[in-house]
Amino acid sequence: AQKVTQAQTEISVVEKEDVTLDCVYETRDTTYYLFWYKQPPSGELVFLIRRNSFDEQNEISGRYSWNFQKSTSSFNFTITASQVVDSAVYFCALRSGYTGANSKLTFGKGITLSVRP
Amino acid sequence: KAGVTQTPRYLIKTRGQQVTLSCSPISGHRSVSWYQQTPGQGLQFLFEYFSETQRNKGNFPGRFSGRQFSNSRSEMNVSTLELGDSALYLCASSLHRGLYGYTFGSGTRLTVV
Repeated sequence: AQKVTQAQTEISVVEKEDVTLDCVYETRDTTYYLFWYKQPPSGELVFLIRRNSFDEQNEISGRYSWNFQKSTSSFNFTITASQVVDSAVYFCALRSGYTGANSKLTFGKGITLSVRP
Repeated sequence: KAGVTQTPRYLIKTRGQQVTLSCSPISGHRSVSWYQQTPGQGLQFLFEYFSETQRNKGNFPGRFSGRQFSNSRSEMNVSTLELGDSALYLCASSLHRGLYGYTFGSGTRLTVV
């Protein structure tokens, strides 16, 4: 069975602080994909990043960066110099690399990030 | 290009009624998945359709059903509504059944009273 754990439920920071959102996953597949989505109050899930299990390179996109470590089954997300517009719920998700029963997204419970001015 | 369109945006129904939600995927995407989001259970997978065939189904009762048309548009139906069916229903569109990611619609917020 696949599982995603986001142990943090709510994080509150002051603008310009750095913040890291943790994600730990479980899977028996050797090929899999990890995702981060952002959900603003409007409800739509906004895609942030996709990472496959064979690519452990860290990625940076502007103020966002991701740290993927297979050894600890973690895929953490850091926002540098946070802004009020970053306030949202953030979901980590896992998808098998194969078609079949696990060809779906398994989501963590989400982390509510509040950035105060 | 147009994103994923879900209609209606909001819906209020009474217990025992049935409801149909619609999802139009991104042009060219042949895969549509549905998810239910509730405060208690979070985001849960309902089903996936690809080329008009259901390819995968989550752990939901038979009251939840869906279909996909030849133009890739999808509908999901919930019969005999229960209060616990109140949720945000999200549709996700993808190429290659999600191997390269999913694009989500804004959802339909269903309230059962």
